[in-house]
Amino acid sequence: EVQLVQSGGGLVQPGGFLRLSCTASGFTLPNYYMTWVRQSPGEGLQWVANINPDGTDTFYVNSLRGRFTISRDNTKNSLFLQMNSLRAGDTAVYYCASGGKLGALDLWGQGTEVVVSS
Amino acid sequence: DIQVTQSPSILSASVGDRVTITCRASQNINSWLAWYQQKPGKAPKLLIYKASTLESGVPSRFSGSESGTEFTLTIGSLQPDDSATYYCHQYNSYSSYTFGQGTKLEIK
Repeated sequence: EVQLVQSGGGLVQPGGFLRLSCTASGFTLPNYYMTWVRQSPGEGLQWVANINPDGTDTFYVNSLRGRFTISRDNTKNSLFLQMNSLRAGDTAVYYCASGGKLGALDLWGQGTEVVVSS
Repeated sequence: DIQVTQSPSILSASVGDRVTITCRASQNINSWLAWYQQKPGKAPKLLIYKASTLESGVPSRFSGSESGTEFTLTIGSLQPDDSATYYCHQYNSYSSYTFGQGTKLEIK
């Protein structure tokens, strides 16, 4: 089965950090641009970051640049999101997704919840 | 950055109705627009990409169209399973993506 499986969410205190993971199975992740999207409680979708197939180019929403880092390990068919200096406003469900349709996000992970609270 | 304005925010319709949701981009996005359906507690699902291309496995009652910077998702004959929130997504450049605000579709 073709899928993206996410891990690494949880409860973290303000100022803390978390690393989210997203592992592909049933397809070759290195072929695609990959994306992180988040959704705050009761809110809409927000694009977080993109990374190109070989990991040499990364792009971020302006508001998160400098605190979040997207990376990938193609040898492990995996995508990551390092989140530092976390704030209450970062509380959200985070989704990884593959841009298999020339950028359109055709495969999504199941989502992982991040709660930033003391 | 490119902005997308989606409307309406809430839509109520009956089974069998034809419904439309609109997104307007702040500048030319060369048809790089997708539509997603999201149900509560689930990840979004791709319906339409490149403005009008139907994703494999998506029912043919879903269609997309464009006129300049205005994009429309149409559901030809509403079904009970179509109750969900729908989002548009512009992906004109890998350096910056934007999602619409979402449209919550309720079945009367």
